[in-house]
Amino acid sequence: AQKITQTQPGMFVQEKEAVTLDCTYDTSDPSYGLFWYKQPSSGEMIFLIYQGSYDQQNATEGRYSLNFQKARKSANLVISASQLGDSAMYFCAMRETSNSGNTPLVFGKGTRLSVIA
Amino acid sequence: DTEVTQTPKHLVMGMTNKKSLKCEQHMGHRAMYWYKQKAKKPPELMFVYSYEKLSINESVPSRFSPECPNSSLLNLHLHALQPEDSALYLCASSQLIRGGDTEAFFGQGTRLTVV
Repeated sequence: AQKITQTQPGMFVQEKEAVTLDCTYDTSDPSYGLFWYKQPSSGEMIFLIYQGSYDQQNATEGRYSLNFQKARKSANLVISASQLGDSAMYFCAMRETSNSGNTPLVFGKGTRLSVIA
Repeated sequence: DTEVTQTPKHLVMGMTNKKSLKCEQHMGHRAMYWYKQKAKKPPELMFVYSYEKLSINESVPSRFSPECPNSSLLNLHLHALQPEDSALYLCASSQLIRGGDTEAFFGQGTRLTVV
């Protein structure tokens, strides 16, 4: 069974600084995808970044990058140059890549990030 | 268009009421999902539809009844709910890629309060 662990319930970061949100995962499937979502207080889950288990390079999307260490089963999110609008709940999620293509996302417990001016 | 639209955004219902939540997407996604999220918790999967057929039911009580009338619409029919069913209900959709992967797009959710 797959499992996602986010050990930081809450994090604070100064505006314009970088912050790393931790995520470790556990799966016996060799093929899987790792995702990060942002959830502001409005409730919508906003997709940020994706890393496939066979990807050789770490994923980057603008100010977001994913520090993927496959041997350690970690997929940490790095947000550079934090902005006040980054304050939100952040969820790490994983999906095993099945042949049917409909394996649903499983989420970690989330990390609440607060950006301080 | 990368939107998943959920209506209504807020819903208050009594325990004897019948109501429905609606979800719509026009991205051509053939997988659609219902998640339930309690405050300060991660989303929990309820149902998965693949090609308009129910493929996963995570042992959800029968007072929640999903329906997928076509490839763009997903409904969640509610009947005789309990106060503990109050939560944010999120709909999501994604492509179906055999042996591959893709992100899921989420709607803004329906905040349900059962009184």
